[in-house]
Amino acid sequence: DGGITQSPKYLFRKEGQNVTLSCEQNLNHDAMYWYRQDPGQGLRLIYYSQIVNDFQKGDIAEGYSVSREKKESFPLTVTSAQKNPTAFYLCASSIQGGNTNEKLFFGSGTQLSVL
Amino acid sequence: GENVEQHPSTLSVQEGDSAVIKCTYSDSASNYFPWYKQELGKRPQLIIDIRSNVGEKKDQRIAVTLNKTAKHFSLHITETQPEDSAVYFCAASNAAKAAGNKLTFGGGTRVLVKP
Repeated sequence: DGGITQSPKYLFRKEGQNVTLSCEQNLNHDAMYWYRQDPGQGLRLIYYSQIVNDFQKGDIAEGYSVSREKKESFPLTVTSAQKNPTAFYLCASSIQGGNTNEKLFFGSGTQLSVL
Repeated sequence: GENVEQHPSTLSVQEGDSAVIKCTYSDSASNYFPWYKQELGKRPQLIIDIRSNVGEKKDQRIAVTLNKTAKHFSLHITETQPEDSAVYFCAASNAAKAAGNKLTFGGGTRVLVKP
């Protein structure tokens, strides 16, 4: 069940601490995404990247940062500025970004909790 | 921006009965409507999608209908089986308007199929 891998599966954050969630894909997909999943609220887009060295804010980017230095990697940092970080975080990829409608391939997620 | 509402939030059906989940969207320019299924502890996976140039699409026991005038679309599952138990998410996007394959998701419907 490879393709897109997230780690760790569970992560705990202390007050004032930055934490980084890993997302790696071996599908050779151009586009990658980070979603946040809260109970009853569906999936909300945090950041997305259509191509290496480029990324854009999604609907709830405040308190988060990303990088896209390699095609296969799209790490998400939850900063101390994110006051309510407890959630399930899903990474996804698609063959290409741009003006297309394409199937998203999801990772298995990371559950982040605050200590 | 786009807003997608999904109903009901939970749905319990007897095995063999049909299940219907409805979503409404706000942006009349949206033209792509996928449905994702997330089984317990697993990643979301695309099960069916429809584009605005068709009104209905079927794939074995699942079907999706789209009413562009009313701005709503529905997922229909016939002859439900225990393996249909999962959370289902609808989504909408407009590729021409939103670069980067940006999907707006509904809040999800938890479906329980009772044997």
